[in-house]
Amino acid sequence: SAVISQKPSRDICQRGTSLTIQCQVDSQVTMMFWYRQQPGQSLTLIATANQGSEATYESGFVIDKFPISRPNLTFSTLTVSNMSPEDSSIYLCSTRQRVHNEQFFGPGTRLTVL
Amino acid sequence: GENVEQHPSTLSVQEGDSAVIKCTYSDSASNYFPWYKQELGKRPQLIIDIRSNVGEKKDQRIAVTLNKTAKHFSLHITETQPEDSAVYFCAASAGSSNQFYFGTGTSLTVIP
Repeated sequence: SAVISQKPSRDICQRGTSLTIQCQVDSQVTMMFWYRQQPGQSLTLIATANQGSEATYESGFVIDKFPISRPNLTFSTLTVSNMSPEDSSIYLCSTRQRVHNEQFFGPGTRLTVL
Repeated sequence: GENVEQHPSTLSVQEGDSAVIKCTYSDSASNYFPWYKQELGKRPQLIIDIRSNVGEKKDQRIAVTLNKTAKHFSLHITETQPEDSAVYFCAASAGSSNQFYFGTGTSLTVIP
């Protein structure tokens, strides 16, 4: 499986600011995703990061709030914009190879918004 | 879209006993069913998966069964150990281009 890293691992931010989370994979992957996981909850898909085109967002998530970039097959970023305390969560990137359909997760970024 | 339900939400077992977690899905097109284990503060890790052309799959102490007719699949852990304590998530997917739909999770505690 691909090795997935995320930066930062955690951050504490002020309301109204923005944070960009980076996801780096050690090999080229077909599909990359961004998830949010609230404490004690399941995984909620934010968007699919499409290489070379705009991300595909799930219901309840919009590009203005969560802009995503994917410049190549090994890297993606998620920005959490104009943060509020409700954005406090763990954000995880995930990769999947289309052939096998197995999906793996990065270590996550724990975000606290004050 | 797909709806995945997972039961129970919490499960406590004595060390050495078996644990069973069940999931149901709604979309008959779903054909891939992975299980993830998430320890506290860690990422979800894929522990076993099953595809719709197979009824059962086993890997040492863990096994997964799939009943396509009834649209349910289960995770079985035998001879449980304290290190099996974690939250387990099931998921369903209708193909490599389709998103994963996750269950709500089961918090398993193995009592020494």
